[in-house]
Amino acid sequence: RKEVEQDPGPFNVPEGATVAFNCTYSNSASQSFFWYRQDCRKEPKLLMSVYSSGNEDGRFTAQLNRASQYISLLIRDSKLSDSATYLCVSRGVSYIPTFGRGTSLIVHP
Amino acid sequence: ETGVTQTPRHLVMGMTNKKSLKCEQHLGHNAMYWYKQSAKKPLELMFVYNFKEQTENNSVPSRFSPECPNSSHLFLHLHTLQPEDSALYLCASSLEQGASDTQYFGPGTRLTVL
Repeated sequence: RKEVEQDPGPFNVPEGATVAFNCTYSNSASQSFFWYRQDCRKEPKLLMSVYSSGNEDGRFTAQLNRASQYISLLIRDSKLSDSATYLCVSRGVSYIPTFGRGTSLIVHP
Repeated sequence: ETGVTQTPRHLVMGMTNKKSLKCEQHLGHNAMYWYKQSAKKPLELMFVYNFKEQTENNSVPSRFSPECPNSSHLFLHLHTLQPEDSALYLCASSLEQGASDTQYFGPGTRLTVL
């Protein structure tokens, strides 16, 4: 079983739609979680950290469910510029980061 | 953005060549990382350095040799690589190797091994 699993997609949504991604992790000792965004042929960039209480940043909301061992990312009012690959990351023992393979999002007019 | 820089950006090498990738961070961080990103695969962590000490070697073949002379610089020395080593090699840094420390990535070196 992969340590961090994501549906690769692609998720194809119209502008203005709400879209949600889930990411499951297998290591119950994982300490912290993040969502990164990676544009085509570019480096990953931090989108947001995921806190136990959940957190929101504008149109983006991240949630953590430790009991079921998953994190989620919700994007409201999708923009064309949101098209990218979204990477889920967990940090476990010794805070070593483990990346999921990413979920591809395509927002179309 | 020039927080983390990598050179060269593109590299083509034969299997008998020796080359080095360079990473430099200007963020005052103390932890640096090498990752490999192949098509359709997750980022694979290769090495981690924290305060210049190697803290993680993720079973990387010895044809990849890292070097961290100080907290700002990280090298990846390559020799006798295989075609399957062709990938995007990303460097990252974070304040320390801590649970909540955000990683900042360089633009990567796209490596092709012929």
